[in-house]
Amino acid sequence: AQKVTQAQTEISVVEKEDVTLDCVYETRDTTYYLFWYKQPPSGELVFLIRRNSFDEQNEISGRYSWNFQKSTSSFNFTITASQVVDSAVYFCAFCPFQIQGAQKLVFGQGTRLTINP
Amino acid sequence: DAGITQSPRHKVTETGTPVTLRCHQTENHRYMYWYRQDPGHGLRLIHYSYGVKDTDKGEVSDGYSVSRSKTEDFLLTLESATSSQTSVYFCAISEPGKNNEQFFGPGTRLTVL
Repeated sequence: AQKVTQAQTEISVVEKEDVTLDCVYETRDTTYYLFWYKQPPSGELVFLIRRNSFDEQNEISGRYSWNFQKSTSSFNFTITASQVVDSAVYFCAFCPFQIQGAQKLVFGQGTRLTINP
Repeated sequence: DAGITQSPRHKVTETGTPVTLRCHQTENHRYMYWYRQDPGHGLRLIHYSYGVKDTDKGEVSDGYSVSRSKTEDFLLTLESATSSQTSVYFCAISEPGKNNEQFFGPGTRLTVL
């Protein structure tokens, strides 16, 4: 069975600091997807990124970057120059690769990130 | 934003009463899902549907049933609510080939007293 672990339950930093959220997963699948979602205080789930297991290229989107390392089964998320609006709960999720079929996401426990002014 | 609505958005009920939550989509996506969110557990899959009248169990399906009589609607029923089912319930949709992205509804906060 697959498992996703976000060991950091809560993180608190001062605005403009860089912060990294860790995500470690367990699976016997050779192909799969990994996701990050953001849940702001308003409660909705916002999709941030999807990564295929066969593409280990890191990705950067503005202040956000993701480091995927298949060798250590990790998919970490870094926010550079954090802002108060980044305060949210962040979820990492895993899904077996499916061309056609249901995406049964397996979520980590979430990391509550607080950015203090 | 994906067209997903959930109703009701908030509900308080008593132990032993039946409860039905509704998810409605306007995207014509094939797959629909129900998750529950609890502290320390993230989101966990309850049931999902892969077409009209086609459903299957997820990780935490005990105590829940679902139905899908139309493409756009996916109902989650708690036949006899228990306090352990107090949670936030999210509906989601996906369509094969569309970037494998799963879109989530706004959530329903259910409290069972």
